[in-house]
Amino acid sequence: GPKVLQIPSHQIIDMGQMVTLNCDPVSNHLYFYWYKQILGQQMEFLVNFYNGKVMEKSKLFKDQFSVERPDGSYFTLKIQPTALEDSAVYFCASSPGTGGQDTQYFGPGTRLLVL
Amino acid sequence: QQQVRQSPQSLTVWEGETAILNCSYEDSTFDYFPWYHQFPGESPALLIAIRPVSNKKEDGRFTIFFNKREKKFSLHIADSQPGDSATYFCAANNNNAPRFGAGTKLSVKP
Repeated sequence: GPKVLQIPSHQIIDMGQMVTLNCDPVSNHLYFYWYKQILGQQMEFLVNFYNGKVMEKSKLFKDQFSVERPDGSYFTLKIQPTALEDSAVYFCASSPGTGGQDTQYFGPGTRLLVL
Repeated sequence: QQQVRQSPQSLTVWEGETAILNCSYEDSTFDYFPWYHQFPGESPALLIAIRPVSNKKEDGRFTIFFNKREKKFSLHIADSQPGDSATYFCAANNNNAPRFGAGTKLSVKP
């Protein structure tokens, strides 16, 4: 089936550093999402993105977070600066159309550890 | 604010039994209700979904029961198998991004 790729699979950084998480969504999908999952807990919605713009973001999407997809390349989540509480697994997802009734396809996640 | 509530947090059943996972929601604009399963170390994957025009959706051993009036929906896994052991997330969508429940960790004992 359709696959979403995420790079890197793991990242360890020091608190205060910048990190960029990369997502390669399904090729014909138009909507992109980031979710945060702390080990053993639920997936928390961060942001969704369409046509070069943030459509919706949650309270977890702090000012230190930003997303972009320059020229149809990777859909990225940048955290600058990182904090200890940013340690989590970050899942990227994409869907063909509006999130309303479209299936989301999730990537394998990037495990971020902030020391 | 938790928009989708899920219970139980964990569930253990014997092989062959029916596992029942429950969810409820508050926002009446939600109009699509998928269930995902997630195996350890893997990403969530869509299992089955329902729209509120129906009150039941079946796919093999998996059935969603939907109660629009009470804003509740449940996943029934019939003839549970050890391979069904995973974390199950319900979700609810409207035109915005889906919101997920907290998950139910299901263990099926042989």
